[in-house]
Amino acid sequence: DAKTTQPNSMESNEEEPVHLPCNHSTISGTDYIHWYRQLPSQGPEYVIHGLTSNVNNRMASLAIAEDRKSSTLILHRATLRDAAVYYCIPRQTASKLTFGTGTRLQVTL
Amino acid sequence: EPEVTQTPSHQVTQMGQEVILRCVPISNHLYFYWYRQILGQKVEFLVSFYNNEISEKSEIFDDQFSVERPDGSNFTLKIRSTKLEDSAMYFCASSGGRASPLHFGNGTRLTVT
Repeated sequence: DAKTTQPNSMESNEEEPVHLPCNHSTISGTDYIHWYRQLPSQGPEYVIHGLTSNVNNRMASLAIAEDRKSSTLILHRATLRDAAVYYCIPRQTASKLTFGTGTRLQVTL
Repeated sequence: EPEVTQTPSHQVTQMGQEVILRCVPISNHLYFYWYRQILGQKVEFLVSFYNNEISEKSEIFDDQFSVERPDGSNFTLKIRSTKLEDSAMYFCASSGGRASPLHFGNGTRLTVT
């Protein structure tokens, strides 16, 4: 499994954009970059994933570096409901997800 | 939106007893997983299941653990003889395809006394 490095915690004000970085310098060429989040007392929740190109969905955007050694999850307008632990996970097709410690995002008014 | 459901939400059992944790995956999904999370620690992979057999399992998933898809809709995790260290949140997940995202349930909290 590729090793990932994420900040332990980040803070954001509500309604502001949030950029959550992840380094995955040992990622293999066929690993997709997945992002999940875990809200308090809930199971992990899928956010977004991509391979090489930037991706957008209703929850977030994913910006992937050209060399694929890092990526950034972008929440365009953070709300209190976005307070969670965010996990960046390189994943080979059909393999398990291996969770690290993630980034704990705090959102304040 | 379809979701993965897990029952019970909380299970208390005595050490040495058998427990069965139940999951109803999303109906057209083909890949099934169990994870656990000890309080304050990482989410850990236990086992993946496809086409009625285990695809992959971790070191945690020893002979005390087993999985079953008994009736085409449920997916169960059995722990034969629980230990104190089995106390954790257990999450079931399912996926519709090899590259598809995993959808997780909200877990069963297992407390072994």
